[in-house]
Amino acid sequence: QQKVQQSPESLIVPEGGMASLNCTSSDRNVDYFWWYRQHSGKSPKMLMSIFSNGEKEEGRFTVHLNKASLHTSLHIRDSQPSDSALYLCAAAGGSALGRLHFGAGTQLIVIP
Amino acid sequence: DPKIIQKPKYLVAVTGSEKILICEQYLGHNAMYWYRQSAKKPLEFMFSYSYQKLMDNQTASSRFQPQSSKKNHLDLQITALKPDDSATYFCASSQDGWGKNTLYFGAGTRLSVL
Repeated sequence: QQKVQQSPESLIVPEGGMASLNCTSSDRNVDYFWWYRQHSGKSPKMLMSIFSNGEKEEGRFTVHLNKASLHTSLHIRDSQPSDSALYLCAAAGGSALGRLHFGAGTQLIVIP
Repeated sequence: DPKIIQKPKYLVAVTGSEKILICEQYLGHNAMYWYRQSAKKPLEFMFSYSYQKLMDNQTASSRFQPQSSKKNHLDLQITALKPDDSATYFCASSQDGWGKNTLYFGAGTRLSVL
């Protein structure tokens, strides 16, 4: 069973709409979370990181983290067609030695 | 300019052969990694190196051997290739190998084993 579960598997939103993506870790040793974005045929690029409880906002992107439930969510407001990509959640523990556990991803499609 | 260079971009190999995937990073990072992504599995950790020393190995098979000749190089040798090895192999790096360091990925080498 995957240590990092993402939902939904795919998401279609209209241009200008809000996209909400979820991620939960089943590993209680996890301390840190990242969200990566991977466009088709490209490498994953780090979008946002969150290490403490609460919320973090950068432009159109907001991440939330609840450490007690090991749940993080990514919200994209005013979605653009260029946001269409695979969104990967990654989690790691304090002594991870670079061993990030990735979820299977949410495929976001933004329709013009 | 890409700061993590992977070569080649595409690789086709026959079953049973051996290939080397090349990775160089110019970010001044001290830790380097190999990850694998296939249609069947999510992005999967393989190895981590810190200051040219192997720190973690999650690859069950000895057919996969990382090689670090310089601090900013981490190549991956794969022997006795199998069709199941077909995947995109990503090299990554981070400032250090611990905890909250963000990983940066290269463009990947797409390997197809026939």
